[in-house]
Amino acid sequence: GESVGLHLPTLSVQEGDNSIINCAYSNSASDYFIWYKQESGKGPQFIIDIRSNMDKRQGQRVTVLLNKTVKHLSLQIAATQPGDSAVYFCAPSSGGYQKVTFGTGTKLQVIP
Amino acid sequence: KAGVTQTPRYLIKTRGQQVTLSCSPISGHRSVSWYQQTPGQGLQFLFEYFSETQRNKGNFPGRFSGRQFSNSRSEMNVSTLELGDSALYLCASRDGTGGYGYTFGSGTRLTVV
Repeated sequence: GESVGLHLPTLSVQEGDNSIINCAYSNSASDYFIWYKQESGKGPQFIIDIRSNMDKRQGQRVTVLLNKTVKHLSLQIAATQPGDSAVYFCAPSSGGYQKVTFGTGTKLQVIP
Repeated sequence: KAGVTQTPRYLIKTRGQQVTLSCSPISGHRSVSWYQQTPGQGLQFLFEYFSETQRNKGNFPGRFSGRQFSNSRSEMNVSTLELGDSALYLCASRDGTGGYGYTFGSGTRLTVV
C-alpha cells in the first residue's frame, strides 16, 4: 500500500546549529527509508538510507533515527551550513518493486 | 558511472500541443520512474517501467503515457497539454530487482502557455 512521507513545510535554523527534520509515514509495512536533498534547480539527491531492522544510522554530519512503533523518522544534520539549505524528503517504501511515494518535503533555511 | 540524463532541460509548449520527454538511466539500471513536481503538490508519481513493461502507475489521466526501450531508456508523453501540466518532470532510475534507492536526473522544466 501507499506510504506517504509527511513533513512540516519549513524549518529555519541558525548556521552552526543542529537541524532536525521529521517525517511521519502511514504504512506499517514500509521497510526501507531514504532521505533525499533537493537543491534549487536540481533533482533530489540521496543522502542516507535506513532499513527497518535498524533504529539509527549515521553518515557524514547526518544521522537518521527510525521509530517503527510510532511510524516516525528523523534526519539530524550536525553543524548546519548554508549549503544545507534545500528541500528534504523522506521516502518510505515496502518492497523493491513497490512505487516510492514522496511527501511535499521540508524546506530547510539556514540563517547566516 | 554517468548519472541519469534527461532531455531537454527546458521546454515551452502551447496548450493543446503534445510533448515527449526523454530519460537515460544509469547503466545497468532496468527500472525508470517518472515524477511530476509542482510547488504545491510535491513529487507526484506518474509511472514506473521495468524491462519495457509498466510496473506501477500513479493517478494521472490517460494523457500521460510512457514507454521504455530495450536499452532501458524511457520516454514520457503528454498529449493535449493543459496549463496545469506546467511542472518539473523528474526521471529516476534504480536497479529494480531489489535495490530500492532511486537516482534522479535533473529534470525537464515544462512550461505550458
